[in-house]
Amino acid sequence: QVQLVESGGGVVQPGRSLGLSCAASGFTFRTYGMHWVRQAPGKGLEWVAVVSYDGSNKDYADSVKGRFTISRDNSENTLFLQLSSLRPEDTAVYFCAKEGVHYFGSGNANYFDSWGQGTLVSVSS
Amino acid sequence: DIQMTQSPSSLSASAGDRVTITCRASQTINLYLNWYQQKPGKAPKLLISAASKLQYGVPSRFSGGGSGSNFTLTISSLQPEDFATYYCQQSDSTPYTFGQGTKLEIK
Repeated sequence: QVQLVESGGGVVQPGRSLGLSCAASGFTFRTYGMHWVRQAPGKGLEWVAVVSYDGSNKDYADSVKGRFTISRDNSENTLFLQLSSLRPEDTAVYFCAKEGVHYFGSGNANYFDSWGQGTLVSVSS
Repeated sequence: DIQMTQSPSSLSASAGDRVTITCRASQTINLYLNWYQQKPGKAPKLLISAASKLQYGVPSRFSGGGSGSNFTLTISSLQPEDFATYYCQQSDSTPYTFGQGTKLEIK
């Protein structure tokens, strides 16, 4: 079955950098778009970034654009998120999520059909 | 950005009750609306995609409806395991956005 396992979270000072990883198994990783979604303590869900199946297309939330970088290694079935210039408001559990797609004639309906357990990033001095 | 507004923000109900959660988008999103369930300390779980498509393995007491900008999630007969927080999410365009969540509590 699909398994997504995040790692790399921890406590980091404001302005510093951190790298997250998401190891995928149980599906053909190279054929699916992948996302990062975060959740601040006691708050709701916030979409962070997406990378296409081949890594050629990426998109980001405005709140992280220019500071975070999403990437993937299809030979290693691993998704990455590089976080830089971290701010206290980046404190959150970071989830990786696999993208599912319904194909309609008028367009494609995407959704997050599998999630990892999350890794906590805490930005504090 | 498309804003997603859920109502109510919290809801108290009893096992066996029928409950409906509403999600409104700030613009039309066709059928590009998904619903997730999240329990404390756990990752979200997909319940319904494309407004009404029940995810494999999700009980049939869950159903989704709506189109355009107004959507609903209905639980026909609440079970003890259904008490959780529910989120809608639009996938019409990035940035993908979530509703603020509806916390379903035991009365």
